[in-house]
Amino acid sequence: AQSVTQLGSHVSVSEGALVLLRCNYSSSVPPYLFWYVQYPNQGLQLLLKYTSAATLVKGINGFEAEFKKSETSFHLTKPSAHMRDAAEYFCAVSDLGSSASKIIFGSGTRLSIRP
Amino acid sequence: DGGITQSPKYLFRKEGQNVTLSCEQNLNHDAMYWYRQDPGQGLRLIYYSQIVNDFQKGDIAEGYSVSREKKESFPLTVTSAQKNPTAFYLCATKTSGTGTDTQYFGPGTRLTVL
Repeated sequence: AQSVTQLGSHVSVSEGALVLLRCNYSSSVPPYLFWYVQYPNQGLQLLLKYTSAATLVKGINGFEAEFKKSETSFHLTKPSAHMRDAAEYFCAVSDLGSSASKIIFGSGTRLSIRP
Repeated sequence: DGGITQSPKYLFRKEGQNVTLSCEQNLNHDAMYWYRQDPGQGLRLIYYSQIVNDFQKGDIAEGYSVSREKKESFPLTVTSAQKNPTAFYLCATKTSGTGTDTQYFGPGTRLTVL
């Protein structure tokens, strides 16, 4: 079975600083990986996804993530944080073992931005 | 205007009452999903449906029921058998097919049981 682990339930950075949100996955087959963002009391919005093409994936709002098979990681980064980036971020892996193509979500990382 | 509609946004019910949460989509997606979100626990899958008149239990189906009579609609009923129903409920859709497909989420319904 596939799983995903997000390291750090809460990350706080200063405005303008590098954002790094960590995600490690477990999968016996090549995974499809996703990062979603959730603003308070809203649904989830896709930031980016990896589907076995380029290992460096660029998403919306200046975020990007790099797939590293050797480290089973898919960390999310942004060079310079903005106040509007404050939200909860979820890493997810597609459950290819299921015919329904379910998505398995991590427990989330809350990102706070200090002025 | 394409998208997923969940209503109501906030819902209050007394303990022991059944309540139905609405999810409607006009994206023409075949697959629909219901998730429950609790603080610090991420999203947990309740039920999903890949096609009209068919649905499967997810990881936490006990105390919930669904129907899929139309492609556009996937209502979720929270029954009195659900021990701790207060949570944020999210509906999602996806085109059927491979695992590369993205799930699209509605705005959610926050249910509070008093």
